[in-house]
Amino acid sequence: EVQLQESGPGLVKPSQSLSLTCSVTGYSITSNYWGWIRKFPGNKMEWMGYISYSGSTSYNPSLKSRISITRDTSKNQFFLQLNSVTTEDTATYYCARYISTVPYYFDYWGQGVMVTVSS
Amino acid sequence: DIQMTQSPASLSASLGETVTIECRASEDIYNGLAWYQQKPGKSPQLLIYNANSLHTGVPSRFSGSGSGTQYSLKINSLQSEDVASYFCQQYYDYPWTFGGGTKLELK
Repeated sequence: EVQLQESGPGLVKPSQSLSLTCSVTGYSITSNYWGWIRKFPGNKMEWMGYISYSGSTSYNPSLKSRISITRDTSKNQFFLQLNSVTTEDTATYYCARYISTVPYYFDYWGQGVMVTVSS
Repeated sequence: DIQMTQSPASLSASLGETVTIECRASEDIYNGLAWYQQKPGKSPQLLIYNANSLHTGVPSRFSGSGSGTQYSLKINSLQSEDVASYFCQQYYDYPWTFGGGTKLELK
């Protein structure tokens, strides 16, 4: 069974970087596309970006140059880094698998990790 | 960005009732729409893709319909296990965007 698990610090200070790991079991990240999505307090959701089976990436323009998604295929993990965070980046962060070789919708999600940006 | 307006934000219904949740896109999304269910403390689960295709293993009481800018998720014969939040996602155009969610409770 495909499982995804997010991990990372639950508290980040403003202006610092947020770094999260998504550990995948039951499926290789060298297949499909893999994404990061966040859910803000109040339930608004935002697609952040993805990394493909080949390692190519695409990001939400709203995050401009603050975001980076990378991977370690030897550990079957992919990572989110969001720089220069503010309190507006406080959210629950999810990693998810796109359903196939096209990055349309998600069939497996992690449980989510809540990240608070506060001094 | 394509804006997805979901309604209602919350909904209370009785067991056995039929429930409809709607998503309206700010422009035509040509059936590029998915619906998800998220139970408290759980990860989201895919219900519907391509606006009206039922994902594997999803009960047939769930159905999706719509076209253009208007889409809906219908739950027939509401069961207690359907208590959850539901949200839509468009994938017609980047960046993918989501509806604001609907919280479904039992009356």
